[in-house]
Amino acid sequence: KAGVTQTPRYLIKTRGQQVTLSCSPISGHRSVSWYQQTPGQGLQFLFEYFSETQRNKGNFPGRFSGRQFSNSRSEMNVSTLELGDSALYLCASSLPSGGRGTDTQYFGPGTRLTVL
Amino acid sequence: AQTVTQSQPEMSVQEAETVTLSCTYDTSESDYYLFWYKQPPSRQMILVIRQEAYKQQNATENRFSVNFQKAAKSFSLKISDSQLGDAAMYFCAYRSALFGGNNDMRFGAGTRLTVKP
Repeated sequence: KAGVTQTPRYLIKTRGQQVTLSCSPISGHRSVSWYQQTPGQGLQFLFEYFSETQRNKGNFPGRFSGRQFSNSRSEMNVSTLELGDSALYLCASSLPSGGRGTDTQYFGPGTRLTVL
Repeated sequence: AQTVTQSQPEMSVQEAETVTLSCTYDTSESDYYLFWYKQPPSRQMILVIRQEAYKQQNATENRFSVNFQKAAKSFSLKISDSQLGDAAMYFCAYRSALFGGNNDMRFGAGTRLTVKP
């Protein structure tokens, strides 16, 4: 079974631009979460989507948004990029186990975003 | 809010030896999951081991085992017979088992493990 895929793997943008990152979950997984990883702040939760609905949102400004499609693929968008948005963006998918609603998250390889 | 603390920024172990990485967490919930993830230089986060809080038995995956102390809110990872390929950043993580609730993954700051040949 194919793992979580993220595209693109590397991205260079300039301040003020916007960017869209894509994540394809493991087949059958319906939950997709996004995380930002930086040396200073570590791993921080951005948001989670389940069945096309945002279920949770972390403490990030409104410039960060996301969506999920009917095939569970997800995109996240960052508008008006700032230097501090430079980070590794990780996507993770999970298959809510019966009744309990949560299960192990499997991560993609990440998208390295550099903002100049 | 749930927090995860890894008090060892760096650890070192000799090849074939055993090392234990520490993790403590804070929560008021009774039902949750705990994980150890490994992030090698490739930056791919790899699941090492998973523990369900309602299970008293410590999880084991080959050379990796945990010591889960629920009352003490402690979740340490033991790596036996360390191999060069074990060198990586290790993250301890917490996730609530509540469906539809705030069950995002909370990560510790990580422990960088070096394996010496």
